[in-house]
Formats: sequence, C-alpha cells, structure tokens
Amino acid sequence: EAQVTQNPRYLITVTGKKLTVTCSQNMNHEYMSWYRQDPGLGLRQIYYSMNVEVTDKGDVPEGYKVSRKEKRNFPLILESPSPNQTSLYFCASSFTGRIQPQHFGDGTRLSIL
Amino acid sequence: AQTVTQSQPEMSVQEAETVTLSCTYDTSESDYYLFWYKQPPSRQMILVIRQEAYKQQNATENRFSVNFQKAAKSFSLKISDSQLGDAAMYFCAPPRDTGTASKLTFGTGTRLQVTL
Repeated sequence: EAQVTQNPRYLITVTGKKLTVTCSQNMNHEYMSWYRQDPGLGLRQIYYSMNVEVTDKGDVPEGYKVSRKEKRNFPLILESPSPNQTSLYFCASSFTGRIQPQHFGDGTRLSIL
Repeated sequence: AQTVTQSQPEMSVQEAETVTLSCTYDTSESDYYLFWYKQPPSRQMILVIRQEAYKQQNATENRFSVNFQKAAKSFSLKISDSQLGDAAMYFCAPPRDTGTASKLTFGTGTRLQVTL
C-alpha cells in the first residue's frame, strides 16, 4: 500500500529535550516536505527536499532541522524544542512539488511543556 | 510575500444543498497547478481536486467541481448535494510566486459544517 508513515503520532515532552519525528514513504517520491498546522494559520511549510541530500527552507524553518540521506526518509529534528513548537505536524511527499498532489502522513501531535 | 486568502473561516450547508468555498491567491506564474484538500476530524489530509491552469475547462470530481478564474486569481470549490461526510476543513493550495515555486503554500482553511 502506498503510504507516508510518520512516527510518533503523539508526543508530549519538555522544553529543551531533543526529539526526532520520522517520516518514510514507499512511493519513490523525490519531493518531501514538513508542515506545521496551527489554528487560524493553516499549514505552513517548514522544510522541503527535492531529492537526496537536497533540502531547503520553507516558510517557518526556525528551530527545526531536517536531513535527506535516503530517498524514502525525511526526519524532522527539533534540537531544543520550545513551547511555541507545540503543533500538529505533517510530512508529505510527491514526485514533484508543484505538479502532483501531495501524499500526507497521518500527522504527529507534539506538545512541548 | 505569498498571499493566499480563504475568506470564509467557517461555513455551514444543509445536507443535499450546494456550497462554494472561496480561495484567492497571487502569482505571476502563467502555468501552474492548484489543489483543494480535505481534512476530516480524523485529521488526514485528502486530495479533493486538482486544476491545471492552462486548461480552459474547470475540473470536476463527482460532486466536487472548481470555478477557476485565472485572470482574477480565484479558485473556488463547489460541493453539490452535500453529505454529512463532507464535514471537514478544506484547504486550497495555489501556486507560489516566481522564484519560490519549489515551496508549497496552503490557505488558512475553511471549516465546513453539514447539517440535517
């Protein structure tokens, strides 16, 4: 089954404790990206990757890191999480960024206390 | 700055009626794609419909259709014969401006309620 898998689905943690949200896709997509969803703000792109070892900032990259060492995986790293990073996070993938629709993971609800 | 406007934060429609959700954007691109996504309470993001800007014909997927007005930079979603399962947040995803085309943008969303 074609899918984007995010883990964990839910996470409650404390300020400053490094965390990683994993994302994996099995569709051989080149384009992968991370979003955060906040009430009234819609989805905002954090980082995107157009292929292995090619990543770039989205609209709200501050406080986040990503890496793309393999085509299928695109983890989101919060080195020192803060409460303002409490949000719902989505990973998505597609063959290209702007032409094909995005396939989304099920989302990760992060709470930073 | 990227501008996407979904001017209706919330809308309500009666079952079997028709509702239109609006989306306006700003781009200087001439060839692009636009999308509507649905997010039900399960929070999954599901593609509803895609429109290609160079096509004159408005896209249609069963009860969902778009009214695409390229010159006006408007991309509205019409839902006909609304069903309870259509209750969800709806996000439009229009193009970005030249030079930032690899980034993707979504609107702030419209929450649709469907009543009996």
